[in-house]
Amino acid sequence: AQTVTQSQPEMSVQEAETVTLSCTYDTSESNYYLFWYKQPPSRQMILVIRQEAYKQQNATENRFSVNFQKAAKSFSLKISDSQLGDTAMYFCATRYSGAGSYQLTFGKGTKLSVIP
Amino acid sequence: DGGITQSPKYLFRKEGQNVTLSCEQNLNHDAMYWYRQDPGQGLRLIYYSQIVNDFQKGDIAEGYSVSREKKESFPLTVTSAQKNPTAFYLCASRRLADQETQYFGPGTRLLVL
Repeated sequence: AQTVTQSQPEMSVQEAETVTLSCTYDTSESNYYLFWYKQPPSRQMILVIRQEAYKQQNATENRFSVNFQKAAKSFSLKISDSQLGDTAMYFCATRYSGAGSYQLTFGKGTKLSVIP
Repeated sequence: DGGITQSPKYLFRKEGQNVTLSCEQNLNHDAMYWYRQDPGQGLRLIYYSQIVNDFQKGDIAEGYSVSREKKESFPLTVTSAQKNPTAFYLCASRRLADQETQYFGPGTRLLVL
């Protein structure tokens, strides 16, 4: 079974500051992937960043980076130089490959507000 | 432009009525998924399909049905057996060769009258 826990229902950050969103997970798989998705007020789900569990190097995408702690099963998202357009729900997810479905298991999300 | 489209954007259902949500993709993706999103909840998988004419139940399939007659299309029917259908429904797709990344449509908001 896969579980994903996001312990911060809501967070806020000043524009241009840095914020870190937390995520812990549990998985029975040895080879898995982790994702952060962004859902702005439009409700379109947008992939922010992904991490392959067998890679030790933390993934980065421009202002977004992750801190992947495999032993602790932790996968936090850091947003640097926060912008107003970063205001959104952020969902952490892990991929489950059972029966070849490659379905995603999501956390409940963190609502991030960027304050001007 | 390539992408995933969902229609309608808003849908109203009367008690005892079946309604169908449309999902179409022109990305040539093989696998397609339906998720349900409730307030304060993450997305939960309803059904998925990896190839035409084949689909599998997800975690919350009761009260829903799907079909996959064409690669591009994966409609979801919310039946009268679904007692709490009010939610936001998201469709996603994935290339079989890309085991990781799912791409999402804009969603359909279903409300019960």
